[in-house]
Amino acid sequence: GAGVSQSPRYKVAKRGQDVALRCDPISGHVSLFWYQQALGQGPEFLTYFQNEAQLDKSGLPSDRFFAERPEGSVSTLKIQRTQQEDSAVYLCASSPSGTGDSPLHFGNGTRLTVT
Amino acid sequence: DQQVKQNSPSLSVQEGRISILNCDYTNSMFDYFLWYKKYPAEGPTFLISISSIKDKNEDGRFTVFLNKSAKHLSLHIVPSQPGDSAVYFCAASANTDKLIFGTGTRLQVFP
Repeated sequence: GAGVSQSPRYKVAKRGQDVALRCDPISGHVSLFWYQQALGQGPEFLTYFQNEAQLDKSGLPSDRFFAERPEGSVSTLKIQRTQQEDSAVYLCASSPSGTGDSPLHFGNGTRLTVT
Repeated sequence: DQQVKQNSPSLSVQEGRISILNCDYTNSMFDYFLWYKKYPAEGPTFLISISSIKDKNEDGRFTVFLNKSAKHLSLHIVPSQPGDSAVYFCAASANTDKLIFGTGTRLQVFP
């Protein structure tokens, strides 16, 4: 079956531009996570949805970052007024469970480069 | 504060031999541990997991060992194959909370 799909795969933005990254989770998956992976580092948690409810946004680095999942399926991560330090791979993951004790299924990520 | 640590950034192993990847953690509340494998330009892929009530879980060539008193887990791959060459991430969660990842170990299996 189809896995987690993310678009675009690559995004180049000029500093100060707004970007929107899309995630299509596996159909029926309750939980959706966004992670940020900087070069040479492991994925770092950004935010978590259970259906349409954003239950944890403690990892969002600033108020320039905003995520939504209005109908409990597709999610969008928006970054306003991008800065060079926002350059990273943004990974989306979904899980069938509403709890954290089942593996996450990751998409291939969106590589954001801010120039 | 790095709660999950993978102190070896890279490991090189000959095909057919055992690969041992290590992971240490600091949070005693962690109760679920996973290993993910990542190829370039792809997302991490789940490999194997273990809950804190066990000390070993095996799946084919992959075995994960958990030593709670030492706050240490390891992934054994035997026999290692060239296709196992990838970056391996250790991850942990506490009370069904979000996964916390280590920084990864790059495994290279050579013929």
